[in-house]
Amino acid sequence: GQQLNQSPQSMFIQEGEDVSMNCTSSSIFNTWLWYKQDPGEGPVLLIALYKAGELTSNGRLTAQFGITRKDSFLNISASIPSDVGIYFCAGKISSGSARQLTFGSGTQLTVLP
Amino acid sequence: GAGVSQSPSNKVTEKGKDVELRCDPISGHTALYWYRQSLGQGLEFLIYFQGNSAPDKSGLPSDRFSAERTGGSVSTLTIQRTQQEDSAVYLCASSLVRGARGSGANVLTFGAGSRLTVL
Repeated sequence: GQQLNQSPQSMFIQEGEDVSMNCTSSSIFNTWLWYKQDPGEGPVLLIALYKAGELTSNGRLTAQFGITRKDSFLNISASIPSDVGIYFCAGKISSGSARQLTFGSGTQLTVLP
Repeated sequence: GAGVSQSPSNKVTEKGKDVELRCDPISGHTALYWYRQSLGQGLEFLIYFQGNSAPDKSGLPSDRFSAERTGGSVSTLTIQRTQQEDSAVYLCASSLVRGARGSGANVLTFGAGSRLTVL
């Protein structure tokens, strides 16, 4: 099956700093999704990317669909305490159902005051 | 409902007992998924329901795990003869299936999960 490598596994940053995390795949994806999971909650969709090269922002979050279609990154600018959580990437190789979604292992973000 | 509802939110059981976890998806979402999230791990696909089609059970780890979806809506995940390694958060998600790219089709909406602890 598809392999998704998400890095880093964890990050400790100071409030106000920018953050970057990425995912790489062994397969070409047609869709990249970024989710955030708060403690005790289910993952919530942050950004969806559908086209190679696409750069999409959602407030302080920016994500890009890599040109090779095998990678994606998520940037968070000017981090705040509520950014704490686990960030997951997910990719899909076809236009079929979301059954084909593959999730990364997550990046645990801690924001220090 | 407005979101995906899961119950119970927490379940502690003894090894060997059976457990049932319930998921109520978003109204109108025809696709329903179960995932397992072990401590510090990513999301492990378990099973997928789509409309009246036969479910995709390819992710179920053993025959102790089964799931049903009644009336195309509520789903129940059953774990028989629970083992300690079954301890995890079980997440349910639902989605639309058909729609234009970028319309949100195939994008999963998750419930808050059911945390299972097997003693």
